[in-house]
Amino acid sequence: NAGVTQTPKFRVLKTGQSMTLLCAQDMNHEYMYWYRQDPGMGLRLIHYSVGEGTTAKGEVPDGYNVSRLKKQNFLLGLESAAPSQTSVYFCASTTPGLAESSYEQYFGPGTRLTVT
Amino acid sequence: GNSVTQMEGPVTLSEEAFLTINCTYTATGYPSLFWYVQYPGEGLQLLLKATKADDKGSNKGFEATYRKETTSFHLEKGSVQVSDSAVYFCALSDKTNFGNEKLTFGTGTRLTIIP
Repeated sequence: NAGVTQTPKFRVLKTGQSMTLLCAQDMNHEYMYWYRQDPGMGLRLIHYSVGEGTTAKGEVPDGYNVSRLKKQNFLLGLESAAPSQTSVYFCASTTPGLAESSYEQYFGPGTRLTVT
Repeated sequence: GNSVTQMEGPVTLSEEAFLTINCTYTATGYPSLFWYVQYPGEGLQLLLKATKADDKGSNKGFEATYRKETTSFHLEKGSVQVSDSAVYFCALSDKTNFGNEKLTFGTGTRLTIIP
């Protein structure tokens, strides 16, 4: 049981290039999330998904797109990378099957992205 | 909107010292409160949680009590170890328009324990 995995672990992009980050979970979770982590700012929610084919904007969605074509995968796309998108990106998942009062998100190991 | 204010770091302590990391929140309603921990090079892991006022969450010697009157959820440990060196995040849960929960995090506190 791998939990939540992220691909790639590291990436360097030039301004204007595009890329896709892949998140995969093998826990059959319904909900998936993408966060970015920046120094002094904690984690901020970019987009999330409540099920296959359903996505929604979080706190900082500009410059990113997402897709959830399969329940186990949640893709984060950068169409035209900018230096301001240099960050560490974390994916997380959870499910409403867990007790409502014990909400816990399971995180992947992160992707470190540098845009030059 | 909801927010979490967390003690600024970094915090450096000697082994076996007492630890407190302060966390206060602003929220409508009655959110659940969490402490997550991030060890070097890893993703976040849930450390402990509390779902209602006066609940105490505990795990691995860490404790935090949900104080509604002071809107606080301070993290404490009586005797820290070198292995506790990590970044600690306070967070609260919030419902989205879809009815699922999303987390709002504090900025994180880096803790370093010196032998």
